[in-house]
Amino acid sequence: AQSVTQLGSHVSVSEGALVLLRCNYSSSVPPYLFWYVQYPNQGLQLLLKYTTGATLVKGINGFEAEFKKSETSFHLTKPSAHMSDAAEYFCAVSEGSQLSFGAGTTVTVRA
Amino acid sequence: GAGVSQSPSNKVTEKGKDVELRCDPISGHTALYWYRQSLGQGLEFLIYFQGNSAPDKSGLPSDRFSAERTGGSVSTLTIQRTQQEDSAVYLCASSTFTDTQYFGPGTRLTVL
Repeated sequence: AQSVTQLGSHVSVSEGALVLLRCNYSSSVPPYLFWYVQYPNQGLQLLLKYTTGATLVKGINGFEAEFKKSETSFHLTKPSAHMSDAAEYFCAVSEGSQLSFGAGTTVTVRA
Repeated sequence: GAGVSQSPSNKVTEKGKDVELRCDPISGHTALYWYRQSLGQGLEFLIYFQGNSAPDKSGLPSDRFSAERTGGSVSTLTIQRTQQEDSAVYLCASSTFTDTQYFGPGTRLTVL
């Protein structure tokens, strides 16, 4: 069975600063990994995903994530935060049909 | 093209009543999923439909919960005899076979 741990339920960053959201997973097989973003009162929107191949994955809105098998991590980064990045972010792992999600990290951006 | 749509967007019901939540997946997507998002439990998988195969019901929390998918498209999640702990946002997602899941906006259910 797979599980996902997101370190830090809340992250506060200044506008223009680096955004770093941490995600570690456990999986018995090579995982498919995802980051989703959820804006208030909306569904989940895919930011990026890793399946196979290049371990550095680029997504929408300037986000990227790096799959590190040795560390079982898939941390999400963005070099420069924008006010519009304020949202909740979920890391997820798939071993087939269903997704297992982390608890989520809420990002606030200070002007 | 249109994304995943869900209705109603909000539902308020009284304890003990039955509710039906609807999901219209993206056209052509063979797989459909239901998840529940609640404050205490986070995002939980409920049920998965793939084509004409028997659904994976392993995430349904009790026999009060059921779902069907008619004609390989629209799905209805039914909760019988609702309880206050059923209050949550119910999210539907669809995908092509084992590909990325695309989520709808959810239905917020409040059980009084």
